[in-house]
This record gives sequence, C-alpha cells and structure tokens, in this order.
Amino acid sequence: KAGVTQTPRYLIKTRGQQVTLSCSPISGHRSVSWYQQTPGQGLQFLFEYFSETQRNKGNFPGRFSGRQFSNSRSEMNVSTLELGDSALYLCASSFGGLSGANVLTFGAGSRLTVL
Amino acid sequence: GENVEQHPSTLSVQEGDSAVIKCTYSDSASNYFPWYKQELGKRPQLIIDIRSNVGEKKDQRIAVTLNKTAKHFSLHITETQPEDSAVYFCAASREKLTFGTGTRLTIIP
Repeated sequence: KAGVTQTPRYLIKTRGQQVTLSCSPISGHRSVSWYQQTPGQGLQFLFEYFSETQRNKGNFPGRFSGRQFSNSRSEMNVSTLELGDSALYLCASSFGGLSGANVLTFGAGSRLTVL
Repeated sequence: GENVEQHPSTLSVQEGDSAVIKCTYSDSASNYFPWYKQELGKRPQLIIDIRSNVGEKKDQRIAVTLNKTAKHFSLHITETQPEDSAVYFCAASREKLTFGTGTRLTIIP
C-alpha cells in the first residue's frame, strides 16, 4: 500500500512569507503528527491531529498551525517565516489509538529553506 | 511535559563490536518506548519498541532494555555491520511521542 506522502519535497521562501505543507497518510491511518527536524535538535513535536481534531500540541509559537481534513490528509502552515524556521518538516501517520503506543510511519519530509 | 535525554550524541565502533545507546525520561507515566533509525537522506523507521510491562526485548542483533525505576532504557546492537551506520532516536510516550536528540552511529570497517 502507498506510504506517507508529503508535498512539496523542497521549497525556498523568504522571511515574512508563509508556507503550507501537505501530508497524505497511509490509508486507514487516522492520526497525523508533524515534527520539525534540525541538526542537533532531533525531532521536535509540533502537533498531532486525529479525526480532524488537534489532539496534542508541542511548544511552538502560534505561527505554526495545522489542520486535518475528513479524509485524514493534513496540512501545516507557518506564517511570518523566520530564518530559524529552516528545517526538514516530517509528518508521520499511525492508527492513532489513545494508548500512546502507536507505530509511526514517516513521510520523506518537506525541506524548507528560509532566506 | 516529557523530557527525553539521549547519550552519546555520536558513537563510533569497529565492525563486529557492540554499540549501546542510552536514554532517560522524566515522566513516570510514559508507557511506550520505541527506537527509530534514520539513514542518511532517508526517513526515520521503527526498528524496535518496548512497553512498560516488559523489561527486555530482542530482535536478532538488536535488543532494548527498560528500567522503569530508574527511568532509563537502552538500545543494544551486537555484531555491528556497516549498514548499521545511521542516526538512532529513542522516544518515550504516554499520549504523544517525545524524541531524544539522536545518536549518530558510525561503524568503522
């Protein structure tokens, strides 16, 4: 079956602009999580969506937002881009059970460069 | 919230030797501890996981141990091979996964 698909794979923006990233989960997966990956900082949790509702949120400013559609596809948006937002943004899907023991399947990521 | 510390940040071992990566977590309610491997330019992939009601789990050359009292867990790779070279992330979860900062493992031929 198809894996987790992220688009676009690469993008370059300038400070102050906004960006929207898309993630299509594995069929049947209802949870989509987003992570920011930067060198030395590992995988920092942004937020998780389950059945169109934000279920968990990390410690990022309000410029970072997301949503999930009825088909489980998710988008994340970053407004007023800063240089420090340059990173690989990974989404991961899972069945999303409430136990927390969910195996994540990651997408290939969207690499954002802010100039 | 949960805080996961991972050590070492880099590790080099001779091919055939063993490698150990250690993580500590802060939330005693965390009950799920996966390990992900990320090869250069690729996405992270689950290699092994353990739940809080189990002390040790093995899968061929990979094993994970969990000490709930001390709140730490470790990844053990035996008979290392060049394809084991990658960045390894530990994580802890009660409701959401919190990842460690990663260990870059290099296997020296």
